[in-house]
Amino acid sequence: EMQLVESGGGLVQPGGSLRLSCAASGFTFSNYAMSWVRQAPGKGLEWVSTIINSGGSTYFADSVRGRFTISRDNSKDTLFLQMNSLRAEDTAVYYCAKGLRGVMGDVWGKGTTVTVSS
Amino acid sequence: DVVMTQSPLSLPVTLGQPASISCRSSQGLVYSDGNTYLSWFQQRPGQSPRRLIYKVSNRDSGVPDRFSGSGSGTDFTLEISRVEAEDVGVYYCMQGTHWPTFGQGTNLEIK
Repeated sequence: EMQLVESGGGLVQPGGSLRLSCAASGFTFSNYAMSWVRQAPGKGLEWVSTIINSGGSTYFADSVRGRFTISRDNSKDTLFLQMNSLRAEDTAVYYCAKGLRGVMGDVWGKGTTVTVSS
Repeated sequence: DVVMTQSPLSLPVTLGQPASISCRSSQGLVYSDGNTYLSWFQQRPGQSPRRLIYKVSNRDSGVPDRFSGSGSGTDFTLEISRVEAEDVGVYYCMQGTHWPTFGQGTNLEIK
């Protein structure tokens, strides 16, 4: 069974940093691009970032570009999201999802909650 | 960014009756490979999103055949032929032809 498990969320002050992880299993991780999608409390879904299977190319939403970095360790089947200069509006549940663009989302994790507050 | 507009935003439905959700994109969604990357997701209360439909009309594995997708160009529809209690939740369309954007969500509830 394909599975994604996120971790690393928590409470952080504005301007702080946090690193999220997403552990994959049940599929050949190194064959697939991976993405992060977030959902603010009571709101809809927002694509955040995508990394291709090799890690050689990364893509970001305008709202996080320059503050967030996406990376992956194919030897450990793990995806990361480094979040710096966090703002209150980054408060959300962060999901990792398999795939990119038009083929994104056949597998989702349960999400990890990030709260940015003083 | 491509704006996805869903209607209605709230959808009360009687059990066993059909339901329909519309999704309109601000730009055409045909990709250079000829495919139209429009997906539908279901998010039950307290759960992660689950993809139901990809490339307009293809059901994901395990999705009941009462769910169907249709449309072309900028206008797309998700239809549920007979609503069941387990269908309660929020439904999102998403375009993946450009960098992904989602509709606002449609909250389906049982009357």
